[in-house]
Amino acid sequence: EAQVTQNPRYLITVTGKKLTVTCSQNMNHEYMSWYRQDPGLGLRQIYYSMNVEVTDKGDVPEGYKVSRKEKRNFPLILESPSPNQTSLYFCASSGRVQETQYFGPGTRLLVL
Amino acid sequence: SQKIEQNSEALNIQEGKTATLTCNYTNYSPAYLQWYRQDPGRGPVFLLLIRENEKEKRKERLKVTFDTTLKQSLFHITASQPADSATYLCALEEGDNFNKFYFGSGTKLNVKP
Repeated sequence: EAQVTQNPRYLITVTGKKLTVTCSQNMNHEYMSWYRQDPGLGLRQIYYSMNVEVTDKGDVPEGYKVSRKEKRNFPLILESPSPNQTSLYFCASSGRVQETQYFGPGTRLLVL
Repeated sequence: SQKIEQNSEALNIQEGKTATLTCNYTNYSPAYLQWYRQDPGRGPVFLLLIRENEKEKRKERLKVTFDTTLKQSLFHITASQPADSATYLCALEEGDNFNKFYFGSGTKLNVKP
């Protein structure tokens, strides 16, 4: 089954404790993205990747890092999480330009 | 940067009626625009894509229009059903920067039986 998976689905952590949210897709897609969704602000793109080792900043990259060492994986790293990064995070992938994005199930993060 | 506006207030309609949702954008003329459906606590699901040279696109009970002069897209659901109740998002991709996306905050549709 074609899908985007994220782990963990739920995470509670404390300020400053480094964490990684994993994202994996099994569709051999070139493009992958990370978004955060907050009430009233909608989905905002954090980082995106056009292919292995090629990444770029989205609209809200501050406080986040990404890497794309393999085509199928695109982890999101929070080196020093802060409470304002409490949010619902989505990973997405797409095969080509102007194609639909497939979204993962989301990761709900609470930073205390 | 790009700005996308969707009606933040929920749209309440009666079953069987046509729902019309609006998406307005500024600052940039995208090559295409996408519409997604999102249910509570779940990831968005793609519905339709319309390109700048297409005035209208249909898929079953869904219809999307794209007016590049008005910088507006309309999303219609005909013969609406309670199962259509969800939040609908529009999204566009920055033309010079492929895969850089901007989403609207979504419009919540409630279809009452």
